[in-house]
Amino acid sequence: DAKTTQPNSMESNEEEPVHLPCNHSTISGTDYIHWYRQLPSQGPEYVIHGLTSNVNNRMASLAIAEDRKSSTLILHRATLRDAAVYYCILRVDTGGFKTIFGAGTRLFVKA
Amino acid sequence: DAGVIQSPRHEVTEMGQEVTLRCKPISGHDYLFWYRQTMMRGLELLIYFNNNVPIDDSGMPEDRFSAKMPNASFSTLKIQPSEPRDSAVYFCASSRDRGHTEAFFGQGTRLTVV
Repeated sequence: DAKTTQPNSMESNEEEPVHLPCNHSTISGTDYIHWYRQLPSQGPEYVIHGLTSNVNNRMASLAIAEDRKSSTLILHRATLRDAAVYYCILRVDTGGFKTIFGAGTRLFVKA
Repeated sequence: DAGVIQSPRHEVTEMGQEVTLRCKPISGHDYLFWYRQTMMRGLELLIYFNNNVPIDDSGMPEDRFSAKMPNASFSTLKIQPSEPRDSAVYFCASSRDRGHTEAFFGQGTRLTVV
């Protein structure tokens, strides 16, 4: 299964941008890059996804490298409510599109 | 839609007892996933279904675990007999059938086996 690598933790100041990196060097051509986050005591929630092009939505932006071997989730202005574990995952086409989570990055936001 | 609904939210049981966790996916979703989360191992995919059929159960820890999906609106994860090491938060998620769609997670069931 294709694997992702993320830093264990990152820290940010409130109101500043945050860039969360992810490496997925074994990604294949049909794999979608998804980001989820998990707030304390909740289930994971979808943030954003992409295939080849950069993507923006109301929550975040996703920058995908040209070779697709890495991506960066960008939170434009971190708030205290953005403190969570962020998971970069590949939606793998194994005939069933199963979703496998790695260890994630724990984001700390300082006031 | 109310989202993915799991029950119970909390379950405390004695070692050796049977435990059944329940999940109602979002209507119209073709895929259903069961995950287990612990501090030591993080989020692990246990099994997933497509159109009510189990596709990959390679993540199921051992024969004590079984999962069923008798229809498109209901799935169960059963542990028999339960052991203290099964204590974890169990999540159910559902999604439509393409890689570019998001998966929606339930609130989870926190299982404690004493």
